[in-house]
Amino acid sequence: EDQVTQSPEALRLQEGESSSLNCSYTVSGLRGLFWYRQDPGKGPEFLFTLYSAGEEKEKERLKATLTKKESFLHITAPKPEDSATYLCAVLLTGGGNKLTFGTGTQLKVEL
Amino acid sequence: DAGVIQSPRHEVTEMGQEVTLRCKPISGHDYLFWYRQTMMRGLELLIYFNNNVPIDDSGMPEDRFSAKMPNASFSTLKIQPSEPRDSAVYFCASRRDRVVQWTEAFFGQGTRLTVV
Repeated sequence: EDQVTQSPEALRLQEGESSSLNCSYTVSGLRGLFWYRQDPGKGPEFLFTLYSAGEEKEKERLKATLTKKESFLHITAPKPEDSATYLCAVLLTGGGNKLTFGTGTQLKVEL
Repeated sequence: DAGVIQSPRHEVTEMGQEVTLRCKPISGHDYLFWYRQTMMRGLELLIYFNNNVPIDDSGMPEDRFSAKMPNASFSTLKIQPSEPRDSAVYFCASRRDRVVQWTEAFFGQGTRLTVV
């Protein structure tokens, strides 16, 4: 069965304390892996798409990487405004347009 | 563009009542998705449309749920009769089709449904 697992479930960081969020997947065939950010009371907001192992994408303090089994979202020197829930999702070969989401990592960055 | 627009933002209804959620996708987008988000199960795809045609409704939990897309700018998700376990946040999302690579979906702000 195709599975997407995110860890940790929750993470508390001090401002400036870099860390990584993990998204591991067990799927039959991957067409793409997506990272979204979700703020309380809002819909998910797109961050990155990764298509193949070894690929990396960067945006401000965030960098996403992909291997054959997992993806990492690295947060460098985070700020309080980076506090949000980060969701990863996979698009499977033969899965049409269905995105399968993980349950997310709730990140809180404190001063 | 104003983005994906959902209404209402909040809905409180009594068990057994009919509930209709509405969505206006981004203009020019070919795909429309309905998701449900709960603490226990996260984001789950209910149904999606391509060019107003339902493609995959395997995520629709029961016959009490139905969705329509009468034109490219409007879709509804209806629950009849509603039950307390339907309480969740319902999201609509849309995306533009591209041949080369899969493009990202844009989500609306969601409708928080509470069935009492």
